[in-house]
Amino acid sequence: GEDVEQSLFLSVREGDSSVINCTYTDSSSTYLYWYKQEPGAGLQLLTYIFSNMDMKQDQRLTVLLNKKDKHLSLRIADTQTGDSAIYFCAEIIPGSARQLTFGSGTQLTVLP
Amino acid sequence: DGGITQSPKYLFRKEGQNVTLSCEQNLNHDAMYWYRQDPGQGLRLIYYSQIVNDFQKGDIAEGYSVSREKKESFPLTVTSAQKNPTAFYLCASSVTGGSNQPQHFGDGTRLSIL
Repeated sequence: GEDVEQSLFLSVREGDSSVINCTYTDSSSTYLYWYKQEPGAGLQLLTYIFSNMDMKQDQRLTVLLNKKDKHLSLRIADTQTGDSAIYFCAEIIPGSARQLTFGSGTQLTVLP
Repeated sequence: DGGITQSPKYLFRKEGQNVTLSCEQNLNHDAMYWYRQDPGQGLRLIYYSQIVNDFQKGDIAEGYSVSREKKESFPLTVTSAQKNPTAFYLCASSVTGGSNQPQHFGDGTRLSIL
């Protein structure tokens, strides 16, 4: 079946690292994505990882993938107040016309 | 700049009224999608279209209708049959429906009941 789960809330202090976690159930997923949604806006693609990779780093963002446990995480280094937003993970099921299955989103709050 | 444009940004509906939300893209994408987002919840798929003149129901299609007469346009009509239409509506597109290419999103339309 298709299901993507995330914890709903995360609070961190400015300057600390944030780690947002996601679990998925479909082992045939090929790409896994992280999107960011600021208040009242659409979703912005942050980064993605291909399923044959363990890690991908892009400036302050690090994505870790544990395919055995079907666990995905997004680490944001030196978290800033502008990083406060909802973060969605999403998986692609190969050949699926509906394409993406989204998690429920994690609300990240950055405290001064 | 290429992108997805949703309009209007805010929309109000009276009881018993149909309203249409616009979504236009100039990315030359074949596939387009409509999602509904309720406060504190994730995205639920309403309808999607892989190609012009073709579309399929998503998870919550009841009370909604769509058309795909042009590649760049995928309007969503919220009919009077949708009893709880207050939500944030997001339109997205991707290169093709079954590909690994990511979806790109518009800025959303917030629909409220008067």
